[in-house]
Amino acid sequence: EADIYQTPRYLVIGTGKKITLECSQTMGHDKMYWYQQDPGMELHLIHYSYGVNSTEKGDLSSESTVSRIRTEHFPLTLESARPSHTSQYLCASSEFKTGTRTFGSGTRLTVV
Amino acid sequence: QKEVEQNSGPLSVPEGAIASLNCTYSDRGSQSFFWYRQYSGKSPELIMSIYSNGDKEDGRFTAQLNKASQYVSLLIRDSQPSDSATYLCAVSSGSGNTGKLIFGQGTTLQVKP
Repeated sequence: EADIYQTPRYLVIGTGKKITLECSQTMGHDKMYWYQQDPGMELHLIHYSYGVNSTEKGDLSSESTVSRIRTEHFPLTLESARPSHTSQYLCASSEFKTGTRTFGSGTRLTVV
Repeated sequence: QKEVEQNSGPLSVPEGAIASLNCTYSDRGSQSFFWYRQYSGKSPELIMSIYSNGDKEDGRFTAQLNKASQYVSLLIRDSQPSDSATYLCAVSSGSGNTGKLIFGQGTTLQVKP
């Protein structure tokens, strides 16, 4: 079944650690996104990609980086985690014809 | 002014009633409109999309679009406690896969048994 997968689901990590949040999709979509969402707040786009070797920054400034080496894989990396990075990170991909976003289950990151 | 505005609520309705959720947007060039449902601690899931003026019905859900008034709404008939969630309005300036998708803050709906 076509889907979009995120791991880990929950992550508690110490300040200064390097982390990578994984996102993979079997939807066959070219376009992928990373959103950040704090409780009760809007989703903010932090990165997106049109396809392999294409990445762009979104509307919300983020210290994270992304890569797109394979169509189905769009990992997000924080080189040095800080408490201000505590949030939920949602990965999504979109269908070409409608632009409808399909979201993964999210990673809830806590930096202590 | 926010690009997509929603009343954060909570909107409380009794079970079986009609819930009406509203959204306004600022970009007159917007072409695609979406309603997502997000349960607490979960990721958003698409309920409805609408692209042209008028009503679009899918089961208990009806999306209404009025581009002249820059207004989109979602009606939920025969509301159930399982409909209790936050409903996100999203607006895209492009068609298909083009353009930015801007999300509103969401309206929290509470359906009381």
